[in-house]
Amino acid sequence: SQQGEEDPQALSIQEGENATMNCSYKTSINNLQWYRQNSGRGLVHLILIRSNEREKHSGRLRVTLDTSKKSSSLLITASRAADTASYFCATDGAGFQKLVFGTGTRLLVSP
Amino acid sequence: ETGVTQTPRHLVMGMTNKKSLKCEQHLGHNAMYWYKQSAKKPLELMFVYSLEERVENNSVPSRFSPECPNSSHLFLHLHTLQPEDSALYLCASSQVAEDTEAFFGQGTRLTVV
Repeated sequence: SQQGEEDPQALSIQEGENATMNCSYKTSINNLQWYRQNSGRGLVHLILIRSNEREKHSGRLRVTLDTSKKSSSLLITASRAADTASYFCATDGAGFQKLVFGTGTRLLVSP
Repeated sequence: ETGVTQTPRHLVMGMTNKKSLKCEQHLGHNAMYWYKQSAKKPLELMFVYSLEERVENNSVPSRFSPECPNSSHLFLHLHTLQPEDSALYLCASSQVAEDTEAFFGQGTRLTVV
Protein backbone atom coordinates (compact mmCIF):
# COMPACT_ATOMS: atom_id res chain seq x y z
CA SER A 1 0.00 0.00 0.00
CA GLN A 2 1.20 3.49 -0.76
CA GLN A 3 -0.95 5.07 1.88
CA GLY A 4 0.58 7.31 4.45
CA GLU A 5 -0.05 7.14 8.11
CA GLU A 6 -0.55 10.02 10.47
CA ASP A 7 0.50 9.96 14.06
CA PRO A 8 -1.09 10.41 16.49
CA GLN A 9 -4.55 9.27 15.46
CA ALA A 10 -6.06 11.76 17.88
CA LEU A 11 -4.70 14.78 19.72
CA SER A 12 -6.38 16.88 22.39
CA ILE A 13 -4.87 20.18 23.51
CA GLN A 14 -5.82 23.52 25.05
CA GLU A 15 -6.12 26.77 23.15
CA GLY A 16 -2.80 28.52 22.83
CA GLU A 17 -0.78 25.30 22.81
CA ASN A 18 1.07 24.00 19.79
CA ALA A 19 -0.10 20.89 17.94
CA THR A 20 2.28 18.61 16.09
CA MET A 21 1.15 15.89 13.71
CA ASN A 22 3.38 13.46 11.88
CA CYS A 23 2.99 11.66 8.58
CA SER A 24 4.93 8.72 7.22
CA TYR A 25 4.74 7.46 3.66
CA LYS A 26 6.21 4.63 1.64
CA THR A 27 7.14 5.71 -1.88
CA SER A 28 9.34 8.39 -3.39
CA ILE A 29 7.43 11.60 -3.96
CA ASN A 30 7.50 14.90 -5.82
CA ASN A 31 5.50 16.67 -3.18
CA LEU A 32 3.58 16.17 0.02
CA GLN A 33 0.45 18.10 0.90
CA TRP A 34 -1.53 18.67 4.07
CA TYR A 35 -5.29 19.02 4.12
CA ARG A 36 -7.83 19.82 6.77
CA GLN A 37 -11.34 18.39 7.08
CA ASN A 38 -14.06 19.66 9.35
CA SER A 39 -16.44 16.97 10.49
CA GLY A 40 -18.31 15.37 7.60
CA ARG A 41 -17.28 18.01 5.08
CA GLY A 42 -14.83 18.35 2.21
CA LEU A 43 -11.09 18.66 2.52
CA VAL A 44 -9.34 22.00 2.33
CA HIS A 45 -5.76 22.34 1.14
CA LEU A 46 -3.39 23.84 3.69
CA ILE A 47 0.13 23.65 2.34
CA LEU A 48 2.29 21.86 -0.22
CA ILE A 49 5.96 21.08 0.25
CA ARG A 50 8.14 19.86 -2.61
CA SER A 51 10.58 16.99 -2.24
CA ASN A 52 13.56 19.35 -2.51
CA GLU A 53 12.28 21.53 0.34
CA ARG A 54 12.90 20.81 3.99
CA GLU A 55 10.64 23.33 5.68
CA LYS A 56 7.80 25.60 4.74
CA HIS A 57 5.70 28.14 6.63
CA SER A 58 2.23 29.51 6.09
CA GLY A 59 0.79 31.71 8.82
CA ARG A 60 0.61 29.57 11.97
CA LEU A 61 1.51 26.42 10.04
CA ARG A 62 4.98 24.97 9.77
CA VAL A 63 5.66 21.87 7.70
CA THR A 64 8.86 19.88 7.58
CA LEU A 65 9.82 17.12 5.21
CA ASP A 66 12.50 14.48 5.59
CA THR A 67 12.64 12.43 2.41
CA SER A 68 15.36 10.16 3.79
CA LYS A 69 12.96 9.05 6.52
CA LYS A 70 9.89 9.40 4.33
CA SER A 71 8.21 11.52 6.94
CA SER A 72 6.67 14.95 7.39
CA SER A 73 5.34 16.94 10.30
CA LEU A 74 2.73 19.65 10.56
CA LEU A 75 3.01 22.12 13.42
CA ILE A 76 0.13 24.43 14.27
CA THR A 77 1.27 27.14 16.64
CA ALA A 78 -0.93 29.00 19.12
CA SER A 79 -3.88 26.74 18.38
CA ARG A 80 -7.46 27.97 18.47
CA ALA A 81 -10.75 26.16 19.02
CA ALA A 82 -11.47 26.75 15.33
CA ASP A 83 -8.49 24.53 14.46
CA THR A 84 -10.50 21.53 15.66
CA ALA A 85 -10.65 19.23 12.63
CA SER A 86 -9.03 16.19 11.05
CA TYR A 87 -5.73 16.71 9.30
CA PHE A 88 -4.48 14.54 6.45
CA CYS A 89 -1.25 14.27 4.56
CA ALA A 90 -1.32 13.33 0.90
CA THR A 91 1.47 12.24 -1.41
CA ASP A 92 1.81 12.00 -5.17
CA GLY A 93 4.03 8.94 -5.23
CA ALA A 94 1.56 7.11 -7.42
CA GLY A 95 1.45 9.94 -9.94
CA PHE A 96 0.61 13.61 -9.66
CA GLN A 97 -3.04 12.96 -10.39
CA LYS A 98 -3.32 10.19 -7.87
CA LEU A 99 -3.03 11.78 -4.47
CA VAL A 100 -2.89 9.13 -1.78
CA PHE A 101 -4.13 10.22 1.60
CA GLY A 102 -3.12 9.08 5.03
CA THR A 103 -5.41 7.97 7.80
CA GLY A 104 -5.62 11.40 9.42
CA THR A 105 -5.13 12.96 12.84
CA ARG A 106 -8.20 14.18 14.71
CA LEU A 107 -7.29 17.38 16.54
CA LEU A 108 -9.46 18.72 19.35
CA VAL A 109 -8.62 22.16 20.67
CA SER A 110 -10.47 23.04 23.86
CA PRO A 111 -11.15 26.67 24.86
CA GLU B 1 -16.97 27.75 -0.97
CA THR B 2 -14.18 25.94 -2.78
CA GLY B 3 -15.59 26.27 -6.30
CA VAL B 4 -16.57 22.60 -6.37
CA THR B 5 -20.24 21.87 -5.78
CA GLN B 6 -21.69 18.46 -5.08
CA THR B 7 -25.35 17.48 -5.09
CA PRO B 8 -27.15 16.10 -3.28
CA ARG B 9 -25.53 16.62 0.10
CA HIS B 10 -27.33 13.66 1.58
CA LEU B 11 -28.82 10.60 -0.10
CA VAL B 12 -30.59 7.56 1.28
CA MET B 13 -31.22 4.79 -1.20
CA GLY B 14 -32.38 1.22 -1.21
CA MET B 15 -30.23 -1.54 -2.60
CA THR B 16 -32.39 -1.82 -5.71
CA ASN B 17 -32.44 1.90 -6.50
CA LYS B 18 -30.53 3.78 -9.15
CA LYS B 19 -29.26 7.23 -8.30
CA SER B 20 -26.58 9.64 -9.47
CA LEU B 21 -24.22 11.97 -7.68
CA LYS B 22 -23.32 15.20 -9.40
CA CYS B 23 -20.23 17.35 -9.16
CA GLU B 24 -19.57 20.68 -10.84
CA GLN B 25 -16.44 22.79 -10.69
CA HIS B 26 -16.14 26.48 -11.56
CA LEU B 27 -12.37 26.71 -11.35
CA GLY B 28 -11.37 26.01 -14.93
CA HIS B 29 -9.64 22.80 -13.91
CA ASN B 30 -9.09 19.95 -16.33
CA ALA B 31 -8.95 16.99 -13.96
CA MET B 32 -11.71 15.66 -11.71
CA TYR B 33 -11.78 12.90 -9.12
CA TRP B 34 -14.10 10.76 -7.05
CA TYR B 35 -12.99 9.69 -3.58
CA LYS B 36 -14.76 7.48 -1.07
CA GLN B 37 -14.38 8.13 2.64
CA SER B 38 -15.64 5.43 4.98
CA ALA B 39 -15.56 5.58 8.74
CA LYS B 40 -12.12 4.86 10.18
CA LYS B 41 -10.58 4.24 6.74
CA PRO B 42 -8.33 6.43 4.60
CA LEU B 43 -9.74 8.24 1.62
CA GLU B 44 -9.92 5.87 -1.32
CA LEU B 45 -9.33 7.22 -4.80
CA MET B 46 -12.04 5.73 -7.03
CA PHE B 47 -11.81 7.43 -10.42
CA VAL B 48 -9.70 10.07 -12.12
CA TYR B 49 -10.65 11.97 -15.25
CA SER B 50 -7.94 13.97 -16.94
CA LEU B 51 -8.87 16.12 -19.92
CA GLU B 52 -12.22 14.32 -19.91
CA GLU B 53 -10.67 10.88 -20.27
CA ARG B 54 -10.72 8.32 -17.49
CA VAL B 55 -7.16 7.60 -16.42
CA GLU B 56 -7.73 5.72 -13.20
CA ASN B 57 -10.18 3.11 -12.04
CA ASN B 58 -9.03 1.66 -8.77
CA SER B 59 -10.72 -1.71 -8.99
CA VAL B 60 -14.03 -0.11 -8.18
CA PRO B 61 -17.06 -2.43 -8.45
CA SER B 62 -19.13 -2.00 -11.57
CA ARG B 63 -22.13 -0.88 -9.52
CA PHE B 64 -20.31 2.49 -9.50
CA SER B 65 -20.22 4.06 -12.95
CA PRO B 66 -18.57 7.45 -13.54
CA GLU B 67 -19.35 9.88 -16.31
CA CYS B 68 -17.51 13.04 -17.29
CA PRO B 69 -19.39 14.81 -20.10
CA ASN B 70 -17.09 17.85 -20.00
CA SER B 71 -14.27 19.26 -17.91
CA SER B 72 -16.66 21.01 -15.53
CA HIS B 73 -19.03 18.17 -14.69
CA LEU B 74 -18.61 14.76 -13.16
CA PHE B 75 -21.23 12.19 -12.26
CA LEU B 76 -21.20 8.98 -10.30
CA HIS B 77 -24.03 6.66 -11.27
CA LEU B 78 -25.05 4.20 -8.58
CA HIS B 79 -27.06 1.01 -8.92
CA THR B 80 -27.69 -2.08 -6.81
CA LEU B 81 -25.46 -0.82 -4.02
CA GLN B 82 -24.67 -2.67 -0.83
CA PRO B 83 -24.91 -1.37 2.73
CA GLU B 84 -21.10 -1.32 2.93
CA ASP B 85 -21.14 1.31 0.19
CA SER B 86 -22.52 3.79 2.69
CA ALA B 87 -19.90 6.52 2.97
CA LEU B 88 -19.04 10.12 2.23
CA TYR B 89 -18.33 10.52 -1.48
CA LEU B 90 -16.05 13.40 -2.28
CA CYS B 91 -15.46 15.04 -5.62
CA ALA B 92 -12.30 17.02 -6.29
CA SER B 93 -10.75 18.91 -9.15
CA SER B 94 -7.30 20.18 -10.05
CA GLN B 95 -5.14 21.27 -12.90
CA VAL B 96 -3.29 18.60 -14.87
CA ALA B 97 0.15 19.59 -13.62
CA GLU B 98 2.64 18.68 -10.97
CA ASP B 99 2.64 20.42 -7.63
CA THR B 100 -0.97 21.49 -7.76
CA GLU B 101 -3.51 21.22 -5.02
CA ALA B 102 -6.86 19.49 -5.19
CA PHE B 103 -10.05 21.37 -4.45
CA PHE B 104 -12.79 19.32 -2.83
CA GLY B 105 -16.53 19.60 -2.76
CA GLN B 106 -18.48 19.25 0.47
CA GLY B 107 -19.31 15.66 -0.27
CA THR B 108 -22.44 13.54 -0.55
CA ARG B 109 -23.30 11.49 2.52
CA LEU B 110 -24.70 8.27 1.10
CA THR B 111 -26.64 5.76 3.15
CA VAL B 112 -27.66 2.47 1.58
CA VAL B 113 -30.53 0.71 3.34
